[in-house]
Amino acid sequence: AQKVTQAQTEISVVEKEDVTLDCVYETRDTTYYLFWYKQPPSGELVFLIRRNSFDEQNEISGRYSWNFQKSTSSFNFTITASQVVDSAVYFCALNYGGSQGNLIFGKGTKLSVKP
Amino acid sequence: KAGVTQTPRYLIKTRGQQVTLSCSPISGHRSVSWYQQTPGQGLQFLFEYFSETQRNKGNFPGRFSGRQFSNSRSEMNVSTLELGDSALYLCASSGTSGTAKNIQYFGAGTRLSVL
Repeated sequence: AQKVTQAQTEISVVEKEDVTLDCVYETRDTTYYLFWYKQPPSGELVFLIRRNSFDEQNEISGRYSWNFQKSTSSFNFTITASQVVDSAVYFCALNYGGSQGNLIFGKGTKLSVKP
Repeated sequence: KAGVTQTPRYLIKTRGQQVTLSCSPISGHRSVSWYQQTPGQGLQFLFEYFSETQRNKGNFPGRFSGRQFSNSRSEMNVSTLELGDSALYLCASSGTSGTAKNIQYFGAGTRLSVL
């Protein structure tokens, strides 16, 4: 079965704190893609990153970084020096081989960054 | 480049009615996917269209249907509305070439309320 689990329902931090959002996935396919999306209160899902199953390199983009570990089936997302504008719901998603166009989403983690 | 456009943004209907939602993809994108988002079930895949053909379908009843036109614009229809159909309906489009291949970009959604 294909599944994405985001165990953290809500996280609250104070501005400038670092925060890590956890994502654990399940799939039997050897070829798959993992994604992170951000959903601000406006509702639109904003694409943040895509990783394919053959590329385990970590990635850093400004204050954002992602840690992909196939050994633990995890794809965690860290925000360094969080800001109020980072407040949103963050979704991890899986797209496995043969399911093009079908993203399987986790339940999301609501991040609140307080000033 | 304009993003994914969904119309209308808000809809109020009563039980038993039917509704049609529209989605205009990013120019050049031929794949359009639809998702339903509810507080209880989260984000769930409805169906995907590519070049006017349904390529994937989620686990939803036949009351939910869609189509895609030759210009890649897509519509989804829900007949005989039920209270449980109240949700945010999100449309996403993706391209087939370049570094953004198969990345789904989302619209702002249509919020449907069924009374």
